[in-house]
Amino acid sequence: EAGVAQSPRYKIIEKRQSVAFWCNPISGHATLYWYQQILGQGPKLLIQFQNNGVVDDSQLPKDRFSAERLKGVDSTLKIQPAKLEDSAVYLCASSLAGTGWDTEAFFGQGTRLTVV
Amino acid sequence: GNSVTQMEGPVTLSEEAFLTINCTYTATGYPSLFWYVQYPGEGLQLLLKATKADDKGSNKGFEATYRKETTSFHLEKGSVQVSDSAVYFCALTPLSGGYQKVTFGIGTKLQVIP
Repeated sequence: EAGVAQSPRYKIIEKRQSVAFWCNPISGHATLYWYQQILGQGPKLLIQFQNNGVVDDSQLPKDRFSAERLKGVDSTLKIQPAKLEDSAVYLCASSLAGTGWDTEAFFGQGTRLTVV
Repeated sequence: GNSVTQMEGPVTLSEEAFLTINCTYTATGYPSLFWYVQYPGEGLQLLLKATKADDKGSNKGFEATYRKETTSFHLEKGSVQVSDSAVYFCALTPLSGGYQKVTFGIGTKLQVIP
């Protein structure tokens, strides 16, 4: 079974530039998550999709971050414009179903973003 | 709100030493509890989980017991190996009828030296 695919693995941009990350979840997984992991901290949920609808984006900085999940499969996360404090690893995860409390989330390798 | 507190690292141990990484949580009701592991250069992987009080999760020689009375889920291993060097995250999901949301601790880096 193929895992969660993310690209690119690494990205370096200057502040105020734009950047986009891509995620392909495990086939058949209805729920997709984007997490931000700042160095020395645990992952923080940015946004959660159930199929192509957003179920939680309460911690997404909507003035600069946006995400979409067209057709309920792949997803992109965009930052525009980037700030120095956006430097982090961006993790994508997917799970079979969003409801219930016992559903394991599978994570991709992440995209390490450095804003200079 | 929900939160997870785990001991700060790094933790450095010699091979075959006993490992304990402490984790306590705050949540309403009875959440499910997890330990995730992140090996160097890789994504997060589920290591073990427990879904109700007194449950013991185990995998790869690691164990953790869901202690409701102390709101804890400490990770233990009797004899660590160099290959166990990684960052370990304690996490929870609340028991509710809504959508799952995983709350993570800050992570504890474990370094095992030969």
